[in-house]
Parts: sequence; C-alpha cells; structure tokens
Amino acid sequence: ETGVTQTPRHLVMGMTNKKSLKCEQHLGHNAMYWYKQSAKKPLELMFVYNFKEQTENNSVPSRFSPECPNSSHLFLHLHTLQPEDSALYLCASSQNDRGQGKLFFGSGTQLSVL
Amino acid sequence: DQQVKQNSPSLSVQEGRISILNCDYTNSMFDYFLWYKKYPAEGPTFLISISSIKDKNEDGRFTVFLNKSAKHLSLHIVPSQPGDSAVYFCAAVVTGNQFYFGTGTSLTVIP
Repeated sequence: ETGVTQTPRHLVMGMTNKKSLKCEQHLGHNAMYWYKQSAKKPLELMFVYNFKEQTENNSVPSRFSPECPNSSHLFLHLHTLQPEDSALYLCASSQNDRGQGKLFFGSGTQLSVL
Repeated sequence: DQQVKQNSPSLSVQEGRISILNCDYTNSMFDYFLWYKKYPAEGPTFLISISSIKDKNEDGRFTVFLNKSAKHLSLHIVPSQPGDSAVYFCAAVVTGNQFYFGTGTSLTVIP
C-alpha cells in the first residue's frame, strides 16, 4: 500500500464514451501527477499539479482533461479516445518542498479503448 | 528525445548471484536519480536514490553507483532473490518535480 489509490483498476471504453479516472493520495503531499505507460516506452508525464495548480501539460491531446479539486484528489476525464490511447495510466504524488521528493505511485488504471 | 535510457530490456540472473542493471542519461543538469521496481498489475515503488554529489548509495542488498563523467547509473542487487524478479525503472530529476524515466529492464531471477 503506497498511500495512493486509483480507481478503477481496469476500464474498457468505446471511442464515443466519456469516463473518468480517479486518484486519491493519503500522504499529505503537495504535488500530484498523471503518467501514461505504454509498452516498450518510458513513463510519459501528462500533467502535474502543485498545490492544486496545473504547472505542466506536456502537449497532451484535449481528449484528456485533468481536474484537481484539492491537494488530495486528482481526476482524469476521458472523452472520444482513440485505440492508441490504450495504456496503463498511473497517478503519483510527491512532496517537493525539500527539493528531492520521491514519487509515490498508485496501482494504475489499465485502459482499453475499442 | 529520450534523456534517460535503459538499453537492456531484459536480464536473467541465477539466484544468489549479482544483478547489475544499467542506465545512461544525457542531461548533465540532472541532480538526483532514483530506481523504481514494478511488479505486474502494480504501480512502480521506490527502491533507492542517489544525489549527484555522491557516487554510491547502499541500502541492504541494493547499491546504486553514479558515474557523472560517463553519465551512467547502475543498480547492483547482491545476492539476487526470486522475489526481485520485476521491471526496474531508473529515473532522473532536474529540479523540483521534473522526473524523466527510462523504458525499464525486466529482471528474472532463476531459482
């Protein structure tokens, strides 16, 4: 148990569906992240929130929409996805005020887009 | 452009022997490096880290070595155990929260 909880663990959706991924951290951290893991690729940073403010958006398509209502919760809203968006989506959190924070990851949501 | 590279996608080692996982990076501004371990159907978990001002950090069976002139990082596991079988990711951090990950090396420890 890492203190970062993601739901659902698995999700199958059609290209016209709208769904949301949820992440909650119980560690009191001040930063939360969405990463995408595709086969044989590095973990790709999608979004970063520091103190609920989005600070990074690495050219992610608009069909992915993040929401961070408070420092403990993070959502990723999905709509009109493509089959190539099928991947493992990982949420992480960290405490960055000491400069060398570690990322704590959730178990991920395995997403399949049909 | 991939700033952190793990050129060996897989590695098999006999139980009790040493496992050496390698990582190369290109950005000399990285000031902190980490290794993560990932089991199937789980998220990566932190294993060990090293600051750029050091060249070695040890934690039990795990030792990380940093060679800044070669921009090379390695993780040594001695002795290797079957429970160490997992995918290992190296990561490098510039400042604050910009983490760059490698593609991972799948380690299999044979009993």
